[in-house]
Amino acid sequence: QVQLQQSGPGLVKPSQTLSLTCAISGDSVSSNSAAWNWIRQSPSRGLEWLGRTYYRSKWYNDYAVSVKSRITINPDTSKNQFSLQLNSVTPEDTAVYYCARDKREDSSSWLYYYMDVWGKGTTVTVSS
Amino acid sequence: SSELTQDPAVSVALGQTVRITCQGDSLRSYYASWYQQKPGQAPVLVIYGKNNRPSGIPDRFSGSSSGNTASLTITGAQAEDEADYYCNSRDSSGNHLNWVFGGGTKLTVL
Repeated sequence: QVQLQQSGPGLVKPSQTLSLTCAISGDSVSSNSAAWNWIRQSPSRGLEWLGRTYYRSKWYNDYAVSVKSRITINPDTSKNQFSLQLNSVTPEDTAVYYCARDKREDSSSWLYYYMDVWGKGTTVTVSS
Repeated sequence: SSELTQDPAVSVALGQTVRITCQGDSLRSYYASWYQQKPGQAPVLVIYGKNNRPSGIPDRFSGSSSGNTASLTITGAQAEDEADYYCNSRDSSGNHLNWVFGGGTKLTVL
């Protein structure tokens, strides 16, 4: 079955860059039927979608407006993984960060989107 | 961007039926998905689309939608169903097709 394994530091200093990686097993980052997301969760913001990367004959990225100026999500096909970089972090970026796969199913009469596989989460604290 | 609204907390007696709702403009265009989250764990998909359950999700979980409201129903709630429940959906209110989450509903099984 598909699994996502997250890695990265749990402590980042203010103004620096938060970097996390999500390694995929059981699927491909280049899949034409999946997209690869980063989501974070904090008591103040709840679950917040940050962005995603996906391949449909070429690579695309979508980013949330709230972080668009600071975020980069990159696929790494050689390692079958994708990464999150969030620049210029502040204590407001303290959260549990998750990676997740989203899928699309469609027919002539319906269209479904859902996030069916999640990583275990990485707690990231922004503090000096 | 669009928002999804959920009641912060709901309770249900053991073995009874409970409905958790999610409201938002994006639900007029896209189906909601529902996720169960227990303390210290990642969210788990329990319902997606019109009323689809991933493999391994008990059939006491069901979903429905009407207009701008999606509902998750648990028929015969069990003690292990006590958790936070979140809805999400695609959202096309911006320039791109993004994702939006509800604020979550804490379900207590009495």
